[in-house]
Amino acid sequence: DQQVKQNSPSLSVQEGRISILNCDYTNSMFDYFLWYKKYPAEGPTFLISISSIKDKNEDGRFTVFLNKSAKHLSLHIVPSQPGDSAVYFCAALDGGSQGNLIFGKGTKLSVKP
Amino acid sequence: NAGVTQTPKFRVLKTGQSMTLLCAQDMNHEYMYWYRQDPGMGLRLIHYSVGEGTTAKGEVPDGYNVSRLKKQNFLLGLESAAPSQTSVYFCASINGPAVPQTPLHFGNGTRLTVT
Repeated sequence: DQQVKQNSPSLSVQEGRISILNCDYTNSMFDYFLWYKKYPAEGPTFLISISSIKDKNEDGRFTVFLNKSAKHLSLHIVPSQPGDSAVYFCAALDGGSQGNLIFGKGTKLSVKP
Repeated sequence: NAGVTQTPKFRVLKTGQSMTLLCAQDMNHEYMYWYRQDPGMGLRLIHYSVGEGTTAKGEVPDGYNVSRLKKQNFLLGLESAAPSQTSVYFCASINGPAVPQTPLHFGNGTRLTVT
């Protein structure tokens, strides 16, 4: 059973508008949550993370929100740019498992000019 | 500084053939990982290593073997390839257990097709 779920395989947004990517999880023991961005033919690169004791973390145009009671997090990109078009993976860190990351299936974001 | 380098970038195998994927990192990282990425499945951990001479199973280890004889190299072997192993394979490394402050460094992937 999937522990990290990204239920939207794709998202299309107009340049300059907000992109909201969602992620749900089932394991309440996860310590941290991370977002990775992946361009075609490249490996994933780290984007932003949030501790389970916080509800918001911001880095420039990127903000991650965490709702622990709902076991839900979201990544907001404002304003969206065409260069943001990529696959975004949500990942959770289980501190008790050698620090291995558990990834969601990813959401493909397309930002149209 | 090359980071994490994977070879080969592409490979086509016939069912039953064997091959080894090489991952090399020049960052002196202790931990190394092999993931596979399949359409609609995200990244799944195959095997990992927490140091030279150590290996451990991840989420989907069956059909694969690994070795970490040198700290900078992590090899992924397929002894008898099957079509179900058609995938994109990613290697990653980090200097210790994955924590948010020091995220995983990924290679650019190896695209393997088994016919």
